Amino acid sequence: QVQLVESGGGVVQPGGSLRLSCAASGFTFSSYGMHWVRQAPGKGLEWVAFIRYDGSNKYYADSVKGRFTISRDNSKNTLYLQMNSLRAEDTAVYYCAKERYFDWPDAFDIWGQGTMVTVSS
Amino acid sequence: AIQLTQSPSSLSASVGDRVTITCRASQGISSALAWYQQKPGKAPKLLIYDASSLESGVPSRFSGSGSGTDFTLTISSLQPEDFATYYCQQFNSYPRTFGQGTKVEIK
Repeated sequence: QVQLVESGGGVVQPGGSLRLSCAASGFTFSSYGMHWVRQAPGKGLEWVAFIRYDGSNKYYADSVKGRFTISRDNSKNTLYLQMNSLRAEDTAVYYCAKERYFDWPDAFDIWGQGTMVTVSS
Repeated sequence: AIQLTQSPSSLSASVGDRVTITCRASQGISSALAWYQQKPGKAPKLLIYDASSLESGVPSRFSGSGSGTDFTLTISSLQPEDFATYYCQQFNSYPRTFGQGTKVEIK
């Protein structure tokens, strides 16, 4: 079935780095834009980053610009989020999400289960 | 960035009630709005896209309306499984933004 499975979360010290992965299955991964969305404990949803289906365009939230890098490997059906210079305020559940329509701004129709990132000394 | 303001932030309702949640955008976004439902410990679930289109598999008691800056999510007859937090989201431009959420609780 169509699914996204995140991995790579954990506990990291402030200033540290972490790489999240999102494995896709059940759909043609290489045809869809993908996003990362996060949710701090007890808080709302915050969009983090987007990558176009072929990797040619990327967008970031101001809060992570210059520290986080989104990428994808279409041969492995996998999305990544490289997170550097982590701060306490980056502590959140990180979700990957699929854009509903091919190469057109749209809602997120498939979400992963989330992976927890905790930034703490 | 486009700001989305949801109201109310929370509400208490009974099974069978009609529930309405509003989402106001800080600038016009045409119909580029989605609604999501999130239950505790779970990922969000898409309910409505393009402001008023029902996602496949979503019960017909959910409906969306609006365009431009003012949008509404309506649950025509609240069911026990509908108690959750609801978010609107705009996909008109980057950065994509979400409303702050509306928690629907049991009365």
